[in-house]
Amino acid sequence: EAQVTQNPRYLITVTGKKLTVTCSQNMNHEYMSWYRQDPGLGLRQIYYSMNVEVTDKGDVPEGYKVSRKEKRNFPLILESPSPNQTSLYFCASSDRFRTSGRNNEQFFGPGTRLTVL
Amino acid sequence: AQSVSQHNHHVILSEAASLELGCNYSYGGTVNLFWYVQYPGQHLQLLLKYFSGDPLVKGIKGFEAEFIKSKFSFNLRKPSVQWSDTAEYFCAVNAIDSSNFGNEKLTFGTGTRLTIIP
Repeated sequence: EAQVTQNPRYLITVTGKKLTVTCSQNMNHEYMSWYRQDPGLGLRQIYYSMNVEVTDKGDVPEGYKVSRKEKRNFPLILESPSPNQTSLYFCASSDRFRTSGRNNEQFFGPGTRLTVL
Repeated sequence: AQSVSQHNHHVILSEAASLELGCNYSYGGTVNLFWYVQYPGQHLQLLLKYFSGDPLVKGIKGFEAEFIKSKFSFNLRKPSVQWSDTAEYFCAVNAIDSSNFGNEKLTFGTGTRLTIIP
């Protein structure tokens, strides 16, 4: 089954304790992205990756890191989490419209609800 | 930079009523347009999408949307809603922009919460 998986689904942590949220897709998509969802703000892009070893900042990258060592995986790293990073996080993947001309519908993972105390 | 407006924050309807949710975007170039639905406690699912061609697109679960380029709008409609349509609905835009080459970023509206009363 084509899917995007994220782990963990729920996480409660304390300020300053480094954490990683994993994201994996099995659709051989080049493009992957992280969004955070906050009430009244919709979803905002944190980081994205066009391909292996190619990453760039989205709209709200402060406090986050990413890596793309393999095509299927795109982990989100919070080196020193703070309470303002309490949010619902979604990973997404798609083909690249500009290079393939194909449907770039993004497929979303199930979400990770993070609480930073 | 592009932006998306969803003016209806919370809509309450009775079953069998007709639905129209507004979505307007600000971008003068070519766009791909999407509507996603998020049922309580679940992830985002694609309802429908527009890339090109017929501006009236049909999606899953009886939803449709019309792209009106002159109005920068992509409103979502359903002739007769059901209780199971209770969810949050997000409009999203992907701007096809040479300055943004490579980023398939979706810019989302703030969402519309739809509550259907049985």
